[in-house]
Amino acid sequence: QQQVKQSPQSLIVQKGGISIINCAYENTAFDYFPWYQQFPGKGPALLIAIRPDVSEKKEGRFTISFNKSAKQFSLHIMDSQPGDSATYFCAASFGGSQGNLIFGKGTKLSVKP
Amino acid sequence: ETGVTQSPTHLIKTRGQQVTLRCSSQSGHNTVSWYQQALGQGPQFIFQYYREEENGRGNFPPRFSGLQFPNYSSELNVNALELDDSALYLCASSPFSGGGTDTQYFGPGTRLTVL
Repeated sequence: QQQVKQSPQSLIVQKGGISIINCAYENTAFDYFPWYQQFPGKGPALLIAIRPDVSEKKEGRFTISFNKSAKQFSLHIMDSQPGDSATYFCAASFGGSQGNLIFGKGTKLSVKP
Repeated sequence: ETGVTQSPTHLIKTRGQQVTLRCSSQSGHNTVSWYQQALGQGPQFIFQYYREEENGRGNFPPRFSGLQFPNYSSELNVNALELDDSALYLCASSPFSGGGTDTQYFGPGTRLTVL
């Protein structure tokens, strides 16, 4: 019930394409769903986050789609660029963002020029 | 770059030894969380400190312990090191306001290798 399942494990996208990463959860008490981006040798950095009362949130080229009934959420990266090549983690918590974050296993994204 | 700093950057220890990792939180942040990230995995929550008290703990044994100081900096101590403790240890700080809208900002991590 505490798991967050993330797919795919790796993703290769052409420059300008759309990258889509999916996550699923079981615990309906989760109330905060962030996405983090991590470059090699760096700590995770928050990209975008959503709460379950919203079905979609967009910030620049990054969009979270949230399906509460299916207990799924996804990250869409529009117009993917080589600089987006990194590992992406979805996460979930209850108690807001102060709650401990439960992370997915990550998706390694490679954007080919 | 966040304002969260961690030291040391890398550390090599042998099995059975003890280690202390340090974290300075971003200015104005009073909550510090520690995570362990094994190679190729997502970070796993170890524990959180709020106003110098432990405020939640993940599924880690008691040989993982921590401290938070009055300036909100923090230490993670691991006793009796095991080979499986080899990982990137991440510290994250946040400005706990009770509103549930605050972001956790991660430091660059300490890479611990246990031989």
